[in-house]
Amino acid sequence: QVQLVESGGGLVKPGGSLRLSCEASGFTFSDYYMSWIRQAPGKGLEWVSYISDSGHVIYYADSVKGRFTISRDNGKNSLSLLMRSLRAEDTAVYYCARDDGKAAADTHFDHWGQGTLVTVSS
Amino acid sequence: QSVLTQPPSVSGAPRQRVTISCSGSSSNIGNNAVNWYQQLPGKPPKLLIYYDYLLPSGVSGRFSGSKSGTSASLAISGLQSDDEADYYCATWDGSLNGLVFGGGTKLTVL
Repeated sequence: QVQLVESGGGLVKPGGSLRLSCEASGFTFSDYYMSWIRQAPGKGLEWVSYISDSGHVIYYADSVKGRFTISRDNGKNSLSLLMRSLRAEDTAVYYCARDDGKAAADTHFDHWGQGTLVTVSS
Repeated sequence: QSVLTQPPSVSGAPRQRVTISCSGSSSNIGNNAVNWYQQLPGKPPKLLIYYDYLLPSGVSGRFSGSKSGTSASLAISGLQSDDEADYYCATWDGSLNGLVFGGGTKLTVL
């Protein structure tokens, strides 16, 4: 069965960096686009970043552009999110999700991980 | 302020039918597929509807989706207590070059 397991969350000071990872299993990882979505405590869902199956097409939300970097290693079935210059408003549960679409306009997430909590605080 | 507008809350009695609206614009709903997600308390979201009205395998037929112009709707018939959850619409926005979610709607089963 499809499994997505996030790791790397924790407490970090404002201005600090953190790398999140998502280990995928139960499907051919290299066939699927992937995304990171976050949810601040008690708030709604916010899409963060998207990467195509090959890694050649990448999009970011304006709120993280220039600070976050998404990447993938298809040989290791792994998705990453490098977060720099972290701010208090980046505090959230970060989910990785499998995208069953084959183009940006078709994006829909058919499997989600359990999430990893990132807390940005001094 | 979300790009897609949903009512903050809706409610209904068991066995009733409720609808949740999602309003957008030509840069998002008007030209791209709408998807709906259900998030039970303390759980990650679950895909409920994709491509405006399609149901993923395993999702109850009590859920249905529709779209007209720049608005979409999720309908839930035969309400059950375990339908109590937050519901989110989502679609790609061609102007923002990103995915956008609605603010979410909390469903209460009375």
